[in-house]
Amino acid sequence: DAGVIQSPRHEVTEMGQEVTLRCKPISGHDYLFWYRQTMMRGLELLIYFNNNVPIDDSGMPEDRFSAKMPNASFSTLKIQPSEPRDSAVYFCASSLGTLQHFGDGTRLSIL
Amino acid sequence: AQSVTQLGSHVSVSEGALVLLRCNYSSSVPPYLFWYVQYPNQGLQLLLKYTTGATLVKGINGFEAEFKKSETSFHLTKPSAHMSDAAEYFCAVSAGNSNYQLIWGAGTKLIIKP
Repeated sequence: DAGVIQSPRHEVTEMGQEVTLRCKPISGHDYLFWYRQTMMRGLELLIYFNNNVPIDDSGMPEDRFSAKMPNASFSTLKIQPSEPRDSAVYFCASSLGTLQHFGDGTRLSIL
Repeated sequence: AQSVTQLGSHVSVSEGALVLLRCNYSSSVPPYLFWYVQYPNQGLQLLLKYTTGATLVKGINGFEAEFKKSETSFHLTKPSAHMSDAAEYFCAVSAGNSNYQLIWGAGTKLIIKP
């Protein structure tokens, strides 16, 4: 079975550019989570969806971050404009119930 | 509100020695508890989980954890460490309220000395 698929795996871009991270959850899962992981702050929940509807976005750092889930099989996390402090590994996870399955992450570097 | 505390950001053990990673939680509802492992440059993988029933839970790679309600603990153990166990380990508790969000500990990096 395919797991959670994230793309790209690595992204390097200059500050000020728009960055779009993509996630395909496991088929049939009804929850989708976006996390950010850094050395300084560890694993942070940014936003999560239930049945494509955003439930809690209180972890989104600021208005430069936005997330969408247009259908059950696709979600995006967008940063516009990007800043060096956004450099981190971004994970997507999906679940049916409490057991979350993680993708391999996108390593984002903003120069 | 639910919370998770992992004691020790780094734990170092010799190969073949006992591994003990500590996790304490607080929860206003009967908790579901999880241990995840993260190998370098990978996502988090489920190691084991406790939902209900038997309090000693066995997971993959020889790890196990015991739910102790009186101590609000869910410590992770392995009798004999292997070099391949070097990774970061995260404890998590369900947020309750049926929203399936997990509350995460800060993680413990396990270092295995040859």
